[in-house]
Amino acid sequence: AQKVTQAQTEISVVEKEDVTLDCVYETRDTTYYLFWYKQPPSGELVFLIRRNSFDEQNEISGRYSWNFQKSTSSFNFTITASQVVDSAVYFCALSEARSKTSYDKVIFGPGTSLSVIP
Amino acid sequence: AAGVIQSPRHLIKEKRETATLKCYPIPRHDTVYWYQQGPGQDPQFLISFYEKMQSDKGSIPDRFSAQQFSDYHSELNMSSLELGDSALYFCASSSRTGTYEQYFGPGTRLTVT
Repeated sequence: AQKVTQAQTEISVVEKEDVTLDCVYETRDTTYYLFWYKQPPSGELVFLIRRNSFDEQNEISGRYSWNFQKSTSSFNFTITASQVVDSAVYFCALSEARSKTSYDKVIFGPGTSLSVIP
Repeated sequence: AAGVIQSPRHLIKEKRETATLKCYPIPRHDTVYWYQQGPGQDPQFLISFYEKMQSDKGSIPDRFSAQQFSDYHSELNMSSLELGDSALYFCASSSRTGTYEQYFGPGTRLTVT
């Protein structure tokens, strides 16, 4: 069975601090995809990143970076120099790979609510 | 670029009423997924369709039914609504012949009073 755990329910940081959101996943699939989504108070799901299981390279996009470690089944997300606009719920998610270019239904973790205080 | 369209965006119903949510996938997308997100919860997969056939089923109540039509749009029908059905319902679409992404719609917020 697939499962995603986000141990941090809520995190509060002061603006400009760095913050890391933890994600641990379980799957029996040999090929799978991992994701991070942001859900601001308005409710929409904002796609942040997708990684496949055969690519363990870390990725940086502006103030965002992701650390994928297959050995520990973790896919952590770091926001550098946090801003008030980063306040949202962040979901880590997992999906079975349907092929090299597509995936199946998305299994979400419980989410981490991040509050960035000015 | 065209996105997934969901209508209505907000819906208020009373207990025991019926609701129909609609999803219009991105053009040329053949697969639709429905997710339900209760207050303070993560989105949970309900059901999916590929080429108008049900392809997978999650924790969808028997009171709910869904289908995908010939133009690939999908409708989620919910009957005998309960207070616990109040949630944000997301539709997502993808293409099995294309690459990658499952694009999420903006969601329909259903409130049952």
